[in-house]
Amino acid sequence: AQSVAQPEDQVNVAEGNPLTVKCTYSVSGNPYLFWYVQYPNRGLQFLLKYITGDNLVKGSYGFEAEFNKSQTSFHLKKPSALVSDSALYFCAGSSGSARQLTFGSGTQLTVLP
Amino acid sequence: DGGITQSPKYLFRKEGQNVTLSCEQNLNHDAMYWYRQDPGQGLRLIYYSQIVNDFQKGDIAEGYSVSREKKESFPLTVTSAQKNPTAFYLCASSTQPTRNTEAFFGQGTRLTVV
Repeated sequence: AQSVAQPEDQVNVAEGNPLTVKCTYSVSGNPYLFWYVQYPNRGLQFLLKYITGDNLVKGSYGFEAEFNKSQTSFHLKKPSALVSDSALYFCAGSSGSARQLTFGSGTQLTVLP
Repeated sequence: DGGITQSPKYLFRKEGQNVTLSCEQNLNHDAMYWYRQDPGQGLRLIYYSQIVNDFQKGDIAEGYSVSREKKESFPLTVTSAQKNPTAFYLCASSTQPTRNTEAFFGQGTRLTVV
């Protein structure tokens, strides 16, 4: 069975500082990994994905994520946080043999002015 | 504008009632999905459909039913058999099963039992 873990329910960071939202995965075969963001009472918006290739993936709104196979991690990063980045972030994963995406439990990011 | 539309945004259900949540997409996507979101639990898959007239159970299908008579539409019925239906329901679609393609989500329906 595949699983995705987000070990932090809440991350607080000051505006202008770098941010990291953590994600680890367990899938059989080559992983396909995604990050989504959700604003209050809204659907999820796609940020970025790793399918194959470069371990550093760049996505929307200045976000990037680093795929680390040895640590089975796919942490989301941004060099300089904005107050408007405050939202709920979900990591999701799948694989070639899987039939569905598995989501992490979400991490609430708060960027403090 | 292309997109995925869920309605209604808020829905109230009495005990013992069935209710149907609408999901329509004009993205020409083959695959559609229904997720349930509860606080602190992430998203859990209820049902998914990879093609018209075919659908599969997800992790928490009990108490729910779906149909896929048209490519554009994937309604979800929450039946009286679902004992704890209060949640935020999200519909999504993708060009193919989301193994390696991103999904597009609707704005959600918040269902409350009264």
